[in-house]
Amino acid sequence: DAMVIQNPRYQVTQFGKPVTLSCSQTLNHNVMYWYQQKSSQAPKLLFHYYDKDFNNEADTPDNFQSRRPNTSFCFLDIRSPGLGDAAMYLCATSTALAGRGETQYFGPGTRLLVL
Amino acid sequence: AQSVTQLDSQVPVFEEAPVELRCNYSSSVSVYLFWYVQYPNQGLQLLLKYLSGSTLVESINGFEAEFNKSQTSFHLRKPSVHISDTAEYFCAVSDSSASKIIFGSGTRLSIRP
Repeated sequence: DAMVIQNPRYQVTQFGKPVTLSCSQTLNHNVMYWYQQKSSQAPKLLFHYYDKDFNNEADTPDNFQSRRPNTSFCFLDIRSPGLGDAAMYLCATSTALAGRGETQYFGPGTRLLVL
Repeated sequence: AQSVTQLDSQVPVFEEAPVELRCNYSSSVSVYLFWYVQYPNQGLQLLLKYLSGSTLVESINGFEAEFNKSQTSFHLRKPSVHISDTAEYFCAVSDSSASKIIFGSGTRLSIRP
């Protein structure tokens, strides 16, 4: 089945130690998104790629970076995780941007714990 | 600017009872409206969406939502809930000028046997 895959499902890192979360998709979608979701809150968009074009949300901290080496893969890098970065990180894809009412397809998420 | 308000953070109901989850939005242009569901420890998945046409939209598992432009609402309803409907439900909005969708804060639906 076509899907969005996130690895690992759980990630434990130390305060200040760089960490990378990965996302892959078999849907061949043009757009890939990274969201941060804290407990009992709405997902918060960090950034998205439309093909190779990167779009950063204005309030996304510089500590968060992303790479998309090809259509299928997208990575979220947290350069120096702080305790406040502990959250669920969700990857999503869509065929086009939200302005056309496109459905977003989400992966299962990676829960990040910072010690 | 777009915004979404989900008035109820939690809704407890008994199994087989009806339920309504409320959602109000604000947008200056024609909107697209969505309900996503998140089961425990999973990502979000689309439940239903309104793009245009009939104001009543339905999902395959018995949920429905009605777009009400005059009241700027998109409430989600189900006439009889099941234990398996226990989840968090997010209302979301976008429009033709948007590059992203805006999520509400979510409503946690808990079903009591």
